[in-house]
Amino acid sequence: GEDVEQSLFLSVREGDSSVINCTYTDSSSTYLYWYKQEPGAGLQLLTYIFSNMDMKQDQRLTVLLNKKDKHLSLRIADTQTGDSAIYFCAGKDTGRRALTFGSGTRLQVQP
Amino acid sequence: NAGVMQNPRHLVRRRGQEARLRCSPVKGHSHVYWYRQLPEEGLKFMVYLQKENIIDESGMPKERFSAEFPKEGPSILRIQQVVRGDSAAYFCASSFGTGNTGELFFGEGSRLTVL
Repeated sequence: GEDVEQSLFLSVREGDSSVINCTYTDSSSTYLYWYKQEPGAGLQLLTYIFSNMDMKQDQRLTVLLNKKDKHLSLRIADTQTGDSAIYFCAGKDTGRRALTFGSGTRLQVQP
Repeated sequence: NAGVMQNPRHLVRRRGQEARLRCSPVKGHSHVYWYRQLPEEGLKFMVYLQKENIIDESGMPKERFSAEFPKEGPSILRIQQVVRGDSAAYFCASSFGTGNTGELFFGEGSRLTVL
């Protein structure tokens, strides 16, 4: 089945760009997702990318997909303190109709 | 529009008791998923249900755990004879279907503490 891996922690200064990386194993995942979890809350979908795309931009968010290396990244431009949260990447295992999530990257934004 | 509603938000049980967690999906959604998040860990898939049917329960322990999504009413995740290791946040998500983007809408979670 799908296996998704992420680095655990990232610290940046306010105003800098943040890049959160993710690797996955199931090359047949049709969509790949980025979710955000704020403390004590559920997960909120930030953005997703279709597998035939290399890049998707949505305001401050840029998603890059390298299918050859099975690598997904999320870039947050002009990171703000309100962006401090845990970010999860997720893919859909073709053998299972639910999403498989990575362990999450905790982003800490220093003022 | 109400999102996914989970209750209770917090639940405390002693070892050996039963825990029942409820989830009302987004109106019109017929697909429900339960995930477990252990402290400082990611989400682990437990079970996927459509109305009255369990589609995939491959992530749910075979003993003590059960889930249902009746024709009327919320989905229920039931944990019998809870142990300390069951302490976690349990998240429910719903979707309209598995086609299109397959986006999941999450509830705010039910946090179970087993004493």
